[in-house]
Amino acid sequence: AQTVTQSQPEMSVQEAETVTLSCTYDTSESDYYLFWYKQPPSRQMILVIRQEAYKQQNATENRFSVNFQKAAKSFSLKISDSQLGDAAMYFCAYRSANFGNEKLTFGTGTRLTIIP
Amino acid sequence: DTAVSQTPKYLVTQMGNDKSIKCEQNLGHDTMYWYKQDSKKFLKIMFSYNNKELIINETVPNRFSPKSPDKAHLNLHINSLELGDSAVYFCASRRAWATNEKLFFGSGTQLSVL
Repeated sequence: AQTVTQSQPEMSVQEAETVTLSCTYDTSESDYYLFWYKQPPSRQMILVIRQEAYKQQNATENRFSVNFQKAAKSFSLKISDSQLGDAAMYFCAYRSANFGNEKLTFGTGTRLTIIP
Repeated sequence: DTAVSQTPKYLVTQMGNDKSIKCEQNLGHDTMYWYKQDSKKFLKIMFSYNNKELIINETVPNRFSPKSPDKAHLNLHINSLELGDSAVYFCASRRAWATNEKLFFGSGTQLSVL
């Protein structure tokens, strides 16, 4: 079974600074997808960024980028120019590419606080 | 237009009662899910349906019974509610065969069992 580990329960960053959230995962599969979801106090789950395991290039979405290290099974999220609206719980998630097993397995989350 | 809608948003009930949470998606997706988020914010899958057929059941107690009358709906019925059932329940959907596609989540139903 796949597992996802987020070792930082809480992180804080000054507004406009850069912060990196860590995520490691364990799997025996070679084809899979990785995601970062954001959950603000509104409770809504919002996709921040996704990465296909077969792609070597790291995904980027505006101020959000990942450092995907497949051999190390590491998938960290970097948030540049942090904004107050970035304050939320961030969840790393894994999904198999095998049909019938496409459930999302989540990490335990990292609560990100933005300091004005 | 809400893509994945759940009702109710909040549900407060007594232990031992039976309750249902409804979920509807208007995205034309084939696959729908129920996830549970506990008090520590941990999210775990409960069920997955593809074209009204159950494909994932993650050792959820028999008191939980999902029902999918059609592809657009996946309801969750809970019998004999227990204190430990208190959580936020999320419905989600996506297209089948599009394994890289994101999940669309509903806004969650916060269930409080007293």
